[in-house]
Amino acid sequence: GAVVSQHPSRVICKSGTSVKIECRSLDFQATTMFWYRQFPKQSLMLMATSNEGSKATYEQGVEKDKFLINHASLTLSTLTVTSAHPEDSSFYICSAADTADNEQFFGPGTRLTVL
Amino acid sequence: GQSLEQPSEVTAVEGAIVQINCTYQTSGFYGLSWYQQHDGGAPTFLSYNGLDGLEETGRFSSFLSRSDSYGYLLLQELQMKDSASYFCAYNQGGKLIFGQGTELSVKP
Repeated sequence: GAVVSQHPSRVICKSGTSVKIECRSLDFQATTMFWYRQFPKQSLMLMATSNEGSKATYEQGVEKDKFLINHASLTLSTLTVTSAHPEDSSFYICSAADTADNEQFFGPGTRLTVL
Repeated sequence: GQSLEQPSEVTAVEGAIVQINCTYQTSGFYGLSWYQQHDGGAPTFLSYNGLDGLEETGRFSSFLSRSDSYGYLLLQELQMKDSASYFCAYNQGGKLIFGQGTELSVKP
């Protein structure tokens, strides 16, 4: 089956620093990748959709200057949380699909804690 | 508006059958999916209904009625490892919109 990895799995950082999270599709080419955020006991909230080689499309209420998304290749997308604050502490999950309408395969998630 | 509603929590015993309902409201609908998520883990795809009716995959079945904007996930022969959160989600032009999730607790 399709495998998606995320790195790091867990990160703790100080307030004001930036954190980069990588999402890789290991055995297929992902033209579309999605980034979700999940607070404890809550649902997955879509943050943005990224297509390889083009700018990400952000959902309403998500600051594009704070959550920088790059999808430079068909197997890698990165999410950078800039100037992180404690309220950004959350579980960040990516998913990947070989086309926009196909099944999404989820990564294992990254637990971000901002002190 | 666009939304999905499902019960926040359900409790059942090992070996039993449990049904998790999901009602949705959306302007565009391309099918209903179900995902399982264990604490701290990634969502795992369980089932998908693009058309009305029942889809069966082992112990899990999912049903959809588009006229009623309603679906459910049926889990049979419950096992302790089925304790997890279950999310219904609809596909909206490639984007997955998730419900709030149902936390299933399976007791011995």
